[in-house]
Amino acid sequence: RKEVEQDPGPFNVPEGATVAFNCTYSNSASQSFFWYRQDCRKEPKLLMSVYSSGNEDGRFTAQLNRASQYISLLIRDSKLSDSATYLCVVDTGRRALTFGSGTRLQVQP
Amino acid sequence: NAGVTQTPKFQVLKTGQSMTLQCAQDMNHNSMYWYRQDPGMGLRLIYYSASEGTTDKGEVPNGYNVSRLNKREFSLRLESAAPSQTSVYFCASSETGNPSYEQYFGPGTRLTVT
Repeated sequence: RKEVEQDPGPFNVPEGATVAFNCTYSNSASQSFFWYRQDCRKEPKLLMSVYSSGNEDGRFTAQLNRASQYISLLIRDSKLSDSATYLCVVDTGRRALTFGSGTRLQVQP
Repeated sequence: NAGVTQTPKFQVLKTGQSMTLQCAQDMNHNSMYWYRQDPGMGLRLIYYSASEGTTDKGEVPNGYNVSRLNKREFSLRLESAAPSQTSVYFCASSETGNPSYEQYFGPGTRLTVT
């Protein structure tokens, strides 16, 4: 089993739609959780950290469910510019991060 | 600020050749990392340096060596390139080795080994 698993997609949604991605992780001792965004042929960039209480940043909401060991990302009112690959990232408990292989989102006009 | 820079951007090597990928950061970060990214595999950690003077193996260190030259620079060396090392290589840095800190990535080096 991979340490971090994501649905690769692609998720094809129209502009204005709401879309959600889930990610599961295997290490119950993980403490740090993130969503990174990666545009085609570019480097990953931090989108948001994920806190136990959940957190929101504009149109983006991240949630953590420790009991079921998954994190989620909700994007409301999708924009064309949201088209990218979203990487779920979890700490390994060994001073390093594990990156999921990413979920590709394509927002269509 | 340039952030994290990597050279070269592209490289083609023949099997058995050697090369060094360069990485530098100007954010005064203590920790630096080398990842490779392959289709469908996500980023995998090759080596990291929690602080100047220290280096540790990551998930996929075989075939690579690293040098933390100073606080700014962290290089990755392929001594004898193999086709399995064809990949996109990203260098990253963070303020500390604590995984709760954001990692900042360079633009990547696209390496093809024939």
